[in-house]
Amino acid sequence: KQEVTQIPAALSVPEGENLVLNCSFTDSAIYNLQWFRQDPGKGLTSLLLIQSSQREQTSGRLNASLDKSSGRSTLYIAASQPGDSATYLCAVFNSGGSNYKLTFGKGTLLTVNP
Amino acid sequence: EAQVTQNPRYLITVTGKKLTVTCSQNMNHEYMSWYRQDPGLGLRQIYYSMNVEVTDKGDVPEGYKVSRKEKRNFPLILESPSPNQTSLYFCASSLQGSYSPLHFGNGTRLTVT
Repeated sequence: KQEVTQIPAALSVPEGENLVLNCSFTDSAIYNLQWFRQDPGKGLTSLLLIQSSQREQTSGRLNASLDKSSGRSTLYIAASQPGDSATYLCAVFNSGGSNYKLTFGKGTLLTVNP
Repeated sequence: EAQVTQNPRYLITVTGKKLTVTCSQNMNHEYMSWYRQDPGLGLRQIYYSMNVEVTDKGDVPEGYKVSRKEKRNFPLILESPSPNQTSLYFCASSLQGSYSPLHFGNGTRLTVT
């Protein structure tokens, strides 16, 4: 059964700092990996989607990488801002025995201090 | 506006009283799915649907039913709710399953007493 782990569980940084969030998964049979942000009391917003054949995706100050063989992904946030404060979740779309199931990590709670 | 709409946002009910949480999307998406989010357990998939009349179980389907009679709607049915189904529920959709990003609704907070 796929398991997705996110480290750290919480992170507090000063404004302007570059930071990296980590995501690891146990089964490399995936279609894609997605990063989301969740603000308190709200739904999830998709940030980046990396297909299994890709190595990275970029959107503005965000860069996500994927190493499928080692079961790892990172989300790099450049020049962090207080508005980046949220919970960040990664999720893998499974392609093995659990076709089309989505498995989420428990998230990293990011606080960017002014 | 492209969106996933869930109703109701908040629901308090009693054990055993059947309820339905509706989910509708206006983006002509093929893939729809339901999740529950619990403290310490994160988001877990309940059911998903690859297209009309095609549904399958996620990781925690017990106690839930779904149907996909139309492309835009994917209701979640609790035939006999129990207190352990108290949770925050999310519906999500994507254009083509594994190839497209997921769009989430704003959630339904369900309390079963």
